[in-house]
Amino acid sequence: DGGITQSPKYLFRKEGQNVTLSCEQNLNHDAMYWYRQDPGQGLRLIYYSQIVNDFQKGDIAEGYSVSREKKESFPLTVTSAQKNPTAFYLCASSLRGGSLSNTGELFFGEGSRLTVL
Amino acid sequence: GNSVTQMEGPVTLSEEAFLTINCTYTATGYPSLFWYVQYPGEGLQLLLKATKADDKGSNKGFEATYRKETTSFHLEKGSVQVSDSAVYFCALSDSGTGGFKTIFGAGTRLFVKA
Repeated sequence: DGGITQSPKYLFRKEGQNVTLSCEQNLNHDAMYWYRQDPGQGLRLIYYSQIVNDFQKGDIAEGYSVSREKKESFPLTVTSAQKNPTAFYLCASSLRGGSLSNTGELFFGEGSRLTVL
Repeated sequence: GNSVTQMEGPVTLSEEAFLTINCTYTATGYPSLFWYVQYPGEGLQLLLKATKADDKGSNKGFEATYRKETTSFHLEKGSVQVSDSAVYFCALSDSGTGGFKTIFGAGTRLFVKA
């Protein structure tokens, strides 16, 4: 079955540590996204990538980094510079913007919950 | 800029009650509109969508109509079930220089009691 796989589902981090969240998709989508979700709030965009080897900052990129070396993979690193990293992180993918068949629908993974101890 | 406003929750209903979750938007272009649903501990799933004015999206008994004149996309269901308990997000997607940008509302939590 096609879909998006995020790992780990739960992650605990000590202050000062970097952690990397994995996101893999087999939907053959060009575009991939990382969102952060805090209780009672909507989703906020951290980073997105429209094609391999290219990515753009979203609304809350400070303290995060990404890479896009392969079409199917878009890992997110939460660095020690992120002051309040405890949150639920969601990875998504879509057809590339500008495609005639693309209405902007996003396909989401199951999420990764990061807790700072 | 673009924005989405949806009614605050939580919304608590008894089984078989009628559901309405209001959503209004602000957009400069002609966005596509979506409702996504999130069950506890999971990611979001697309519930329904509409891509142009007067389109009606529907799925699993839920419906929403793209009303350009009132800039609204209210979610309705005639008879809710306990299994509909979840958080519902209204969203819009508009093409821009960086590809599609999706803006989400804050989400509305629905509790359905047996």
